Parts: sequence; structure tokens; C-alpha cells
Amino acid sequence: DAKTTQPPSMDCAEGRAANLPCNHSTISGNEYVYWYRQIHSQGPQYIIHGLKNNETNEMASLIITEDRKSSTLILPHATLRDTAVYYCIVSRVGSNYKLTFGKGTLLTVNP
Amino acid sequence: DGGITQSPKYLFRKEGQNVTLSCEQNLNHDAMYWYRQDPGQGLRLIYYSQIVNDFQKGDIAEGYSVSREKKESFPLTVTSAQKNPTAFYLCASSVMGQGASGYTFGSGTRLTVV
Repeated sequence: DAKTTQPPSMDCAEGRAANLPCNHSTISGNEYVYWYRQIHSQGPQYIIHGLKNNETNEMASLIITEDRKSSTLILPHATLRDTAVYYCIVSRVGSNYKLTFGKGTLLTVNP
Repeated sequence: DGGITQSPKYLFRKEGQNVTLSCEQNLNHDAMYWYRQDPGQGLRLIYYSQIVNDFQKGDIAEGYSVSREKKESFPLTVTSAQKNPTAFYLCASSVMGQGASGYTFGSGTRLTVV
């Protein structure tokens, strides 16, 4: 799987949009971008994934650049409960592939 | 409700003792995984199993053992050979072929060896 690079930490004000970047310059054509988050002392939770088109669900939006070398996870109206470590993962679709979780980005939402 | 259960949530053991962490799922998932997490670090894969009675080593299998006698259960034994067993252990399961969006994680077991 391609390697990802994320900033170690970010801050965001409550109610504002949180934009979390991820670089994956070696991504292959058959690899998706996945985002998970982990609230302190809990297991990671799936958020969203995409291949090349922008995606949106009830939790977040995912913007993938046209060259697919980077992406941004957007939490449109961050709340205190969104404080967590966010992991960007690149993995092939359709296979039960063991996921590789890096250190992720610690997002702190401030009141 | 379907889910994945890890027990206990906190576990204390003396150095040199083996300890077994429980992981049970009622999601009918074929694949199950064990990850280890140290403070400020990502998750590292210990073992995974894609089918009953079969499992493979992950990136840090030394000092650990697993079994997969039932589809629902994937216990992890931390043996005395594991040099630094104190960590947060996470179990996960997934549907075969669904890829990385289909992982469900348990709430973890925090193991402290004194």
C-alpha cells in the first residue's frame, strides 16, 4: 500500500470547518483513500473513502486532488466530540487487506 | 446489536506470566485482526485470520500467539517472551472483499505488566 503523510496535530474552533490534509504521492490506480478516526482510548471508526471523485456522507466530505496525490478530509462544523486522532489510509479495494495505521493527525477542537 | 467485544477493558499481570485477551464478534465477519497501540503511536498489526483454523503473522507477531477455532472468536495470548507487553490492544473484524471501509473495531484492552 502507498505511504501517507499527515501533520501530527491541528487545532480548530468549535463550529468552524476542520480541514485535515493527507499526502499520498505514490498512490496506485487501484488504491482508495480511506479515513478513520480514533477517539481517546477507543477503537478506530470508519469515516469515509474515495477513489478519485469527491465524496460526502453524514460525517464528512473527502476532497481528492485530480492527480490523486493528496486529499483533504473536511468536517464542516466541528464539535468538541470531533476531537480525535484522524488516520488517512491508502489501500486496494476489494481485498481483505490488513490496514496500516500511521500516527495520524490529532485534531483538537477548542470551545 | 451486532458488534465486537473485547474483555477485559483493563488487565494487570505480573512480569513473566502469560495472559489471554478475549475478542468476540457477532457480525458474521470472516476476517479478524489484532493490533497493538503504544502511546502516541499508530496501530501495528500482530496477527490476522481470514478463515477459521487459519491465521497469519502481522508485523510484530513475536511473543504473541492466537487461535481461531470459531468464526466468532479470536483470542490473543501475550506470552512471557514478549519483551514489552504493556500496551493498548485492539481487535477488529471485517467482511471479506469489502476492503478497508468494512472494519469494525472493539473498544480495546489496556494491558499493564508490572
